[in-house]
Amino acid sequence: GQQVMQIPQYQHVQEGEDFTTYCNSSTTLSNIQWYKQRPGGHPVFLIQLVKSGEVKKQKRLTFQFGEAKKNSSLHITATQTTDVGTYFCAGRTSGTYKYIFGTGTRLKVLA
Amino acid sequence: NAGVTQTPKFRVLKTGQSMTLLCAQDMNHEYMYWYRQDPGMGLRLIHYSVGEGTTAKGEVPDGYNVSRLKKQNFLLGLESAAPSQTSVYFCASSYVGQGSYEQYFGPGTRLTVT
Repeated sequence: GQQVMQIPQYQHVQEGEDFTTYCNSSTTLSNIQWYKQRPGGHPVFLIQLVKSGEVKKQKRLTFQFGEAKKNSSLHITATQTTDVGTYFCAGRTSGTYKYIFGTGTRLKVLA
Repeated sequence: NAGVTQTPKFRVLKTGQSMTLLCAQDMNHEYMYWYRQDPGMGLRLIHYSVGEGTTAKGEVPDGYNVSRLKKQNFLLGLESAAPSQTSVYFCASSYVGQGSYEQYFGPGTRLTVT
């Protein structure tokens, strides 16, 4: 079945450093979503990417969807302590209504 | 709007007991989902529904049943709880419009089975 892997599993950075998490799917995706979950909280939607090679930016966050629509990345520039949490990607394949979540990357930011 | 609410927030069950988790949304969303989250495992889809009266299996459906009798409610049942079902359960709903499937999550139910 469809699998979605994320690396790294954990990342500790100094405040002000950049951070990137990568998401890889075993199958071609129709679209991919990214979520952020703060410690003790629930996942919160960040963005959805649909087109091959798509790049979207939200302030310090840059999201990319690979040309083959099998991988994606989230890059945070100049991390802040408010960026702490776990970042998940979730991919959907064509013809289905369900999303398969990646294993997540837990980000810790050291002040 | 309350968004997505889940009842109860916490529950402790003994092995073999049954219970129902309730998810309610007031956003008139068509799609609803049940996930479980275990440490280091991310979110795994248990069951989902694309409309009132319809349900479908996700990645890990065994040991769970669901019902969607009303559009705003999605119930998750455990008929005979097992320690392996100790987890945090999240419900989510989404609106399908112009290709957007943004999922709105509830606060979660922390279930412990002893």
